[in-house]
Amino acid sequence: GDSVTQMEGPVTLSEEAFLTINCTYTATGYPSLFWYVQYPGEGLQLLLKATKADDKGSNKGFEATYRKETTSFHLEKGSVQVSDSAVYFCALRHSGGYNKLIFGAGTRLAVHP
Amino acid sequence: EAQVTQNPRYLITVTGKKLTVTCSQNMNHEYMSWYRQDPGLGLRQIYYSMNVEVTDKGDVPEGYKVSRKEKRNFPLILESPSPNQTSLYFCASSPGTNTEAFFGQGTRLTVV
Repeated sequence: GDSVTQMEGPVTLSEEAFLTINCTYTATGYPSLFWYVQYPGEGLQLLLKATKADDKGSNKGFEATYRKETTSFHLEKGSVQVSDSAVYFCALRHSGGYNKLIFGAGTRLAVHP
Repeated sequence: EAQVTQNPRYLITVTGKKLTVTCSQNMNHEYMSWYRQDPGLGLRQIYYSMNVEVTDKGDVPEGYKVSRKEKRNFPLILESPSPNQTSLYFCASSPGTNTEAFFGQGTRLTVV
């Protein structure tokens, strides 16, 4: 079945460091790919998405490129801030899949001043 | 403000005592879902609904029931909660099959 694998956390960085959170997926066909972010005590918010191969999603300085050849959707940010501390979830959804999202386990990011 | 509202936010209950977690959305969305979040497992879908009176099982439906009598509400019912249902629960809604999902703030349930 479909699955999403994320790098294990926690990831601890200093402010202004470069961030990469790896995400790979297993799926048939052409799923849409997402990154969601969960700030402490809150629900999930969509951070960015890509719906087809080679699409780049971007938002708030974060970027991820849909790479079908490597089945990956790695999240990157050039300079993290303390306010980026959160849990990040990679997810996929099949078209026609009744909107079911399949999530990775989540990666906790802690950014220190 | 467009939102998905869950209640309660926190709940501690005893094994076997029926409970309901409510979910309401004010965006007129067709699709609603329930997920549970467990450490190391991410979020897994429990049930989903495509419209009023149309519901179906997700990946982990055992021990749960849902209903969709009105478009805006999608309550999650635990008829006889057990400790393995201790988890963080999220309700989500979306307008279509290939659109963004909006999540509620979560309900942390502890069953003792």
